[in-house]
Amino acid sequence: GENVEQHPSTLSVQEGDSAVIKCTYSDSASNYFPWYKQELGKGPQLIIDIRSNVGEKKDQRIAVTLNKTAKHFSLHITETQPEDSAVYFCAASSPGNQFYFGTGTSLTVIP
Amino acid sequence: DTAVSQTPKYLVTQMGNDKSIKCEQNLGHDTMYWYKQDSKKFLKIMFSYNNKELIINETVPNRFSPKSPDKAHLNLHINSLELGDSAVYFCASSQEGPGVNEQFFGPGTRLTVL
Repeated sequence: GENVEQHPSTLSVQEGDSAVIKCTYSDSASNYFPWYKQELGKGPQLIIDIRSNVGEKKDQRIAVTLNKTAKHFSLHITETQPEDSAVYFCAASSPGNQFYFGTGTSLTVIP
Repeated sequence: DTAVSQTPKYLVTQMGNDKSIKCEQNLGHDTMYWYKQDSKKFLKIMFSYNNKELIINETVPNRFSPKSPDKAHLNLHINSLELGDSAVYFCASSQEGPGVNEQFFGPGTRLTVL
């Protein structure tokens, strides 16, 4: 089955700086890679996703890059704000199969 | 206008009891899921139903039994609760089958077994 690794497990940045979270996956059949943000006491919420036919996707301050050859994908958050503080999860999946989640990154943005 | 709702939000019970968690989605989605999130925040799929049929059944003790009375509801019944069942349980739904597109998560049910 698929194995998704996520690093770092914790990340602290100063407000205004950038944050990068990296994930690797093992199954070359995986073709859908969502990123979820989980705030304290809430359910995970999708912030951006990318499919294997695309190398990069951007939505305002958030971007995701995918390297299919190396089997890794990354989340980039620019101009971080205190409200970006949360736990972030990457996941990998293919049609008919479950989401395989990474172990999460706890991001703290220091004002 | 809640998309995926769960009840109750908190559940505190004694070992050995039987309890249920209810989930409803008003998005018209075909597929629903149950996840368990442990104290280390790891999200693990438990079950998935597509149009009321079980399609994913991970290695979960048979004390856990999902029930889908219709496409919009997926309930989770747990028998003979154990200390290790303490966790946050999330319901989710997606428009298509697993692995195709976004899953929408509910707010979670924090289960504490004493």
